Amino acid sequence: EDKVVQSPLSLVVHEGDTVTLNCSYEVTNFRSLLWYKQEKKAPTFLFMLTSSGIEKKSGRLSSILDKKELFSILNITATQTGDSAVYLCAVSTGTASKLTFGTGTRLQVTL
Amino acid sequence: NAGVTQTPKFQVLKTGQSMTLQCAQDMNHNSMYWYRQDPGMGLRLIYYSASEGTTDKGEVPNGYNVSRLNKREFSLRLESAAPSQTSVYFCASSEGTSVVLGLFFGEGSRLTVL
Repeated sequence: EDKVVQSPLSLVVHEGDTVTLNCSYEVTNFRSLLWYKQEKKAPTFLFMLTSSGIEKKSGRLSSILDKKELFSILNITATQTGDSAVYLCAVSTGTASKLTFGTGTRLQVTL
Repeated sequence: NAGVTQTPKFQVLKTGQSMTLQCAQDMNHNSMYWYRQDPGMGLRLIYYSASEGTTDKGEVPNGYNVSRLNKREFSLRLESAAPSQTSVYFCASSEGTSVVLGLFFGEGSRLTVL
């Protein structure tokens, strides 16, 4: 059974801090790993990673994948209150058209 | 740009009642999905449809049925609702028959079964 585990489950930081969110996986026939941000409603897409060691960046957010050690990290620098959300990690596997999601990390950024 | 549209957004049912959640996408995507989201459980796949005319079970299909009415629409039916089906339901779609390009989600439907 495919498994995606995120840590920590939740964290609270002060505005301006840097945070690192973790995602590890045990799956058969890995294809890609995706990060989503979920505020009050639907998850919105952040990154897709397929190759090991290549960092994806978007503003203050960045992510990297380690296919040997089976994990990914999502970094957020200079956090802002607007970064408060649940961050979801998901893995696409094999030929099936589906994603397996982790339970998410709830990030709260305080003033 | 509507994207993925789900209806209704909220619904309260009594145990044993039936209902259908409707989903439509206007992005000409081939694949469509139904997920449920529960506290501490993440998003779990109920059913998916890789292309028009096909449907497949996901991780938690029991108690649900689906219909891929056409390329745009994918409905989820609860024939006899149970309290365990209280959840937030998300419809999603994906270009092609692979999720490598990511899923686009609807706004969610909050269902409460009493």
